[in-house]
Amino acid sequence: DQQVKQNSPSLSVQEGRISILNCDYTNSMFDYFLWYKKYPAEGPTFLISISSIKDKNEDGRFTVFLNKSAKHLSLHIVPSQPGDSAVYFCAASAEDFNKFYFGSGTKLNVKP
Amino acid sequence: ETGVTQTPRHLVMGMTNKKSLKCEQHLGHNAMYWYKQSAKKPLELMFVYSLEERVENNSVPSRFSPECPNSSHLFLHLHTLQPEDSALYLCASSQAYKRPGQGIYGYTFGSGTRLTVV
Repeated sequence: DQQVKQNSPSLSVQEGRISILNCDYTNSMFDYFLWYKKYPAEGPTFLISISSIKDKNEDGRFTVFLNKSAKHLSLHIVPSQPGDSAVYFCAASAEDFNKFYFGSGTKLNVKP
Repeated sequence: ETGVTQTPRHLVMGMTNKKSLKCEQHLGHNAMYWYKQSAKKPLELMFVYSLEERVENNSVPSRFSPECPNSSHLFLHLHTLQPEDSALYLCASSQAYKRPGQGIYGYTFGSGTRLTVV
């Protein structure tokens, strides 16, 4: 039973435009969310987080939006750069879980 | 050396072999994790060690055997694997009993071991 879902396995965007990566979750207990970025042959690296007390968190070109009622979060990258081409994983956790549930990832390709 | 280091980076083994994956963290974390990443599937949590004690095992087959001799080292012993076990095996660490991800970076992952079972 997959509790975190990323329904788009891939996304292609032109350099300079906005990239929007989506993530849905099923467990209403989740209250902390992360996005990780993964390049080939490297482990995932943390990108940005959001807790359920917020609906938006921004860090430079990256913004994460959380819609608790829809159990949906999204990552916006503006403007997209070729170096952003990677696989993006969303992950969710709940207090005391001490572990994260991950989605299957979305491969982003930013074309020059 | 800092971060989370995994060795080997690549491993090819036969179904009758016995091998071990190694993970080492230099971050002062007290929880370590093994994840499996198969193509087009979510990262699957296999084992969690917190304060060197195994606190979670998500019904992983017994052909995978973890070992955590201290808070900095984690092993995954492999024996009589199947071809479907071929995947990327990721080690991660965090600070336990404080929300992983709270404040800074969540898990810190290693680069993974790409395992192929032939």
